[in-house]
Amino acid sequence: AQSVTQLDSHVSVSEGTPVLLRCNYSSSYSPSLFWYVQHPNKGLQLLLKYTSAATLVKGINGFEAEFKKSETSFHLTKPSAHMSDAAEYFCVNIRTYKYIFGTGTRLKVLA
Amino acid sequence: EPEVTQTPSHQVTQMGQEVILRCVPISNHLYFYWYRQILGQKVEFLVSFYNNEISEKSEIFDDQFSVERPDGSNFTLKIRSTKLEDSAMYFCASRATGGGMVTEAFFGQGTRLTVV
Repeated sequence: AQSVTQLDSHVSVSEGTPVLLRCNYSSSYSPSLFWYVQHPNKGLQLLLKYTSAATLVKGINGFEAEFKKSETSFHLTKPSAHMSDAAEYFCVNIRTYKYIFGTGTRLKVLA
Repeated sequence: EPEVTQTPSHQVTQMGQEVILRCVPISNHLYFYWYRQILGQKVEFLVSFYNNEISEKSEIFDDQFSVERPDGSNFTLKIRSTKLEDSAMYFCASRATGGGMVTEAFFGQGTRLTVV
């Protein structure tokens, strides 16, 4: 069955340092994967999506993710964290057109 | 930019009362969803809706829950007799057909339901 595992429930980084949020997926065929962000008391916003066109996917706000089939991973990265990046991030997989959410990673950005 | 809109943003109701959460999906989308997120927990799938019928539902979506598309624009979630454990943020989402390609879901801002 298709699912995702987010390896870290909390990540803290200093402003200006790189961000790495990890996600591993399981899928019996080529997956479709997404990263969504949820700022405090806000809805879910799409950051980026992978649908097999390219393994390196660029998203909004400087985020990108690389699909690695050999590692079954789809980690989210950003070269330099900004205070406004503090939020909860969800890795999402698709199963029969149903979106399956990971447990989320709360990103804290320290000044 | 088109967006999914949900009303109300907050709803407080007494246990046992019926509530209706409303959503206006993006106009040319054909797949609709309800998800919920209990405070501090993961986002959980409730139900998907396509072609005027439920296409899939989770174990959470029991007889107390129902969905409806009463007209061409609204998509509602009804909880018949609310329980304390129904307190959560409820998200509506919609998706285009994608012409065979998988597309992303667009989520609304959510309705925070508090059952007292």
